[in-house]
Amino acid sequence: AQTVTQSQPEMSVQEAETVTLSCTYDTSESNYYLFWYKQPPSRQMILVIRQEAYKQQNATENRFSVNFQKAAKSFSLKISDSQLGDTAMYFCAQVMDSNYQLIWGAGTKLIIKP
Amino acid sequence: DVKVTQSSRYLVKRTGEKVFLECVQDMDHENMFWYRQDPGLGLRLIYFSYDVKMKEKGDIPEGYSVSREKKERFSLILESASTNQTSMYLCASSLGGNVNYGYTFGSGTRLTVV
Repeated sequence: AQTVTQSQPEMSVQEAETVTLSCTYDTSESNYYLFWYKQPPSRQMILVIRQEAYKQQNATENRFSVNFQKAAKSFSLKISDSQLGDTAMYFCAQVMDSNYQLIWGAGTKLIIKP
Repeated sequence: DVKVTQSSRYLVKRTGEKVFLECVQDMDHENMFWYRQDPGLGLRLIYFSYDVKMKEKGDIPEGYSVSREKKERFSLILESASTNQTSMYLCASSLGGNVNYGYTFGSGTRLTVV
């Protein structure tokens, strides 16, 4: 069975620092997609960034980037120049090309301190 | 802007009541999902639907049922609410056959059963 593991239940950093959230996954599929979602206190789950497994280039969206290590089955999220508005729960998720169900990690609570 | 709308943001119900949680999407998405979110447990899939009148059990379907009479609407039903169903409920949708864009979420319904 596919699993997604986020080993950091909670992290906190100072504003403007860089922070990296860890995610590992387990799959025997060759093609799949990986996502990072953000859930701020407003509760709206927002897609932050996504990565296609067959693409070697790491995805980047403004201050958010990933370090995708396919052989190690690792998919970490780096947030540069962190802002107070980045305070949220962050969830890592995986979906196979062969079905439509996202497999979720347990989440990491990120607190950005002023 | 694509939207998933959940009818209630907060709901308080009594034990034994029949509870309806409504979710509507305006994106013509084929797939719709109901999740339950509890602290430390992440997101757990209750039911999902790939098409009108179709439904599939997720990981924790006990005590719940669903209805999808129209493509845009997916209802979660608690036949006889119990206190252990106090939780955050999230609805999501996705394009059928195209999983690489992930899901779009509603803003959640926080249900309290007293």
